[in-house]
Amino acid sequence: GQQVMQIPQYQHVQEGEDFTTYCNSSTTLSNIQWYKQRPGGHPVFLIQLVKSGEVKKQKRLTFQFGEAKKNSSLHITATQTTDVGTYFCAGPSYGKLTFGQGTILTVHP
Amino acid sequence: NAGVTQTPKFQVLKTGQSMTLQCAQDMNHEYMSWYRQDPGMGLRLIHYSVGAGITDQGEVPNGYNVSRSTTEDFPLRLLSAAPSQTSVYFCASSYSDRVTTEAFFGQGTRLTVV
Repeated sequence: GQQVMQIPQYQHVQEGEDFTTYCNSSTTLSNIQWYKQRPGGHPVFLIQLVKSGEVKKQKRLTFQFGEAKKNSSLHITATQTTDVGTYFCAGPSYGKLTFGQGTILTVHP
Repeated sequence: NAGVTQTPKFQVLKTGQSMTLQCAQDMNHEYMSWYRQDPGMGLRLIHYSVGAGITDQGEVPNGYNVSRSTTEDFPLRLLSAAPSQTSVYFCASSYSDRVTTEAFFGQGTRLTVV
């Protein structure tokens, strides 16, 4: 079945540093979604990428979808303490999502 | 508009007990799913449903049952609780016919089996 791998598992940064998490799928994806989960909270949808090579930005967050539609990345510029949490990528397939293991981001002020 | 509602929020069970985790959504979503979240394991799919009366197994279905008699409700039953089922459980729902099929998650149920 489909597998989604995400690295790194943990990332510790100083406030103001950049952060990137990478996602790789074992199969070609129709689209990829990114979610953020704050500590103690539930996953919240951030964005969906559909097109090969697509790049989308949300303020300091930049999302990319690979040309082969098998990999994706999330980059945060100049992290803030409000960015702490776990970031997940997920590949949808007919009613279900296959999640990566997530990257836990901690930001030291 | 409540979104996805899960009950209870916390539960402690003894080994061998059974219980039902409730999930309800008021967005008329066709798709509903149950995930469990364990440290370092991400979110793993237990069971999912693409509509009323239709369910299927996910990655880790053993020890769990589901049914979907209505569009709104998707309960998860633990048949005989085991310590390995200690986890945080999330229910999610989404549309099936939109361009963006974002999943909406409930607040989660933290289950401890002793």
